[in-house]
Amino acid sequence: DSGVTQTPKHLITATGQRVTLRCSPRSGDLSVYWYQQSLDQGLQFLIQYYNGEERAKGNILERFSAQQFPDLHSELNLSSLELGDSALYFCASSVYQGSTDTQYFGPGTRLTVL
Amino acid sequence: AQSVAQPEDQVNVAEGNPLTVKCTYSVSGNPYLFWYVQYPNRGLQFLLKYITGDNLVKGSYGFEAEFNKSQTSFHLKKPSALVSDSALYFCAVRAASGGSYIPTFGRGTSLIVHP
Repeated sequence: DSGVTQTPKHLITATGQRVTLRCSPRSGDLSVYWYQQSLDQGLQFLIQYYNGEERAKGNILERFSAQQFPDLHSELNLSSLELGDSALYFCASSVYQGSTDTQYFGPGTRLTVL
Repeated sequence: AQSVAQPEDQVNVAEGNPLTVKCTYSVSGNPYLFWYVQYPNRGLQFLLKYITGDNLVKGSYGFEAEFNKSQTSFHLKKPSALVSDSALYFCAVRAASGGSYIPTFGRGTSLIVHP
């Protein structure tokens, strides 16, 4: 168990809908990272927050947004969902945001868009 | 730009035999290198990392990896494979300086250990 929690574990929804994925980092970790894992794209970095502020953006669609709250938990919002958004979404956390920091991953949320 | 290549989609090895999962990288300057393992329906678990110092890094579950700067490689090894080692293995790289501190992950290598 990495100490990173994600809810829900599974989510099934329809195209056009909006969902929110939640992540609680390890105790003491200030950085939260979101990743999307799909068979064809592999593990893709979406966005990173550090102590409540956005610090890095990757291949995140405009339909997706995230935030990190004062208690350091984070939410990833996915809207106008398309079939191609079906994937595993992982959250990871690290103590700081340095290059040497180890990221600890949550168990993921499996999103299925029908 | 930084990148990672895991040239084998799948590696098959018999239990008790040594295993190697290959990783090569491209980064400006010195690299920080990581290996993660993903078991079915689970998140990625950290195995080991190379930051500086000894080129042979020892990690969890008996795994080790050798950093080779001239060959820009960081292959994962284990002297004696277990069936329970069967999983998806990811290599990741970050630039030590001047680049993104967000790691770039390889596409993963599926390790299958046969009884």
